[in-house]
Amino acid sequence: GAGVSQTPSNKVTEKGKYVELRCDPISGHTALYWYRQSLGQGPEFLIYFQGTGAADDSGLPNDRFFAVRPEGSVSTLKIQRTERGDSAVYLCASSLFGTASYEQYFGPGTRLTVT
Amino acid sequence: GNSVTQMEGPVTLSEEAFLTINCTYTATGYPSLFWYVQYPGEGLQLLLKATKADDKGSNKGFEATYRKETTSFHLEKGSVQVSDSAVYFCALLRAGSYQLTFGKGTKLSVIP
Repeated sequence: GAGVSQTPSNKVTEKGKYVELRCDPISGHTALYWYRQSLGQGPEFLIYFQGTGAADDSGLPNDRFFAVRPEGSVSTLKIQRTERGDSAVYLCASSLFGTASYEQYFGPGTRLTVT
Repeated sequence: GNSVTQMEGPVTLSEEAFLTINCTYTATGYPSLFWYVQYPGEGLQLLLKATKADDKGSNKGFEATYRKETTSFHLEKGSVQVSDSAVYFCALLRAGSYQLTFGKGTKLSVIP
């Protein structure tokens, strides 16, 4: 079946602009995660959704970052007033349920470049 | 807090060579441990995992053993192939959590 998909695959924006990154999880997966991978680093947790609600947003770096999952499927990560330090690959993952017993499946990521 | 330290790359090996990528961790309790692989142009894929001490995870000829006494989860393969060229990430999942904590990744290049 289809895996996790993310759009766009690449996004270049100017400093100060607003961007939205989209994630389509595997159908039927209730848990959805966003991670950020900076150059030369491993992915870092941003936020976790169980269903429609953000169960844990402790990884969001500041209030310029926000994510939604209004119908419990597709999620959008929103970044306001982008800064050059936001440049990274943003990864989305989903799992059947949000416990360690269930594997997280990752999408290919969106490479965000802020100029 | 939780952290994962893995050997820095890049690692370059000839085909059929033996591979070891070291990984050590710091965590409270008894985490689950994972190796993920990222092939060029693709997303992260789970390679293998171990959920308790002395467990051995294995897949595609790769193995790693959960060593609680040394807080390690080293990845090994007896004979690498060109197709194994990728970036390998060690990760942990604290018991009761869902946040994966990753190491920085080790790039492996296998030359014919």
